[in-house]
Amino acid sequence: AQSVTQLDSQVPVFEEAPVELRCNYSSSVSVYLFWYVQYPNQGLQLLLKYLSGSTLVESINGFEAEFNKSQTSFHLRKPSVHISDTAEYFCAVSNTGGFKTIFGAGTRLFVKA
Amino acid sequence: EPEVTQTPSHQVTQMGQEVILRCVPISNHLYFYWYRQILGQKVEFLVSFYNNEISEKSEIFDDQFSVERPDGSNFTLKIRSTKLEDSAMYFCASSPIYGYTFGSGTRLTVV
Repeated sequence: AQSVTQLDSQVPVFEEAPVELRCNYSSSVSVYLFWYVQYPNQGLQLLLKYLSGSTLVESINGFEAEFNKSQTSFHLRKPSVHISDTAEYFCAVSNTGGFKTIFGAGTRLFVKA
Repeated sequence: EPEVTQTPSHQVTQMGQEVILRCVPISNHLYFYWYRQILGQKVEFLVSFYNNEISEKSEIFDDQFSVERPDGSNFTLKIRSTKLEDSAMYFCASSPIYGYTFGSGTRLTVV
């Protein structure tokens, strides 16, 4: 069985500062990894995913995440955040042979002016 | 960009009543899912559906729940006799294989 731990429930940060949202997973099999974002009063949107290949994956809005197999981590980073990045971010994992995806508890990113 | 559409956006029902939550997945996707998110809590897997049958379900998905793809485009979640603790946001998702597209959710309030 897989599990996902998001180490920070809330991350306050000033606009234009860098941010890292931490995610660790556990699994006995190979995994696919995802970050989803949920803006206030909206549904979940896929931000980026790691399936195979390069361990560094990027989204179109400047976020990136790096798959680190030895540390079983998939931390999300952005070098300079905007007010509009304020949202809840969910790390998620699924095994390469299964259907369901397990979500972490979420990290609320709050960007302050 | 293709979307997953969920209706209604908000439903209020009395305890013990049956509800049907509706979803239209993306047309060329093969896998369909229901998740729920109780207010302030994590997103929980309910069920996955592939090739017209349930492929996996969680312990939450008991006999009160059922899913159906009645006409090749809609994907429904039925709760037979709602309880107060069923109040949550219910998200439908579909995927080609991995990496879901979620709908915007149905907020179910059981009173």
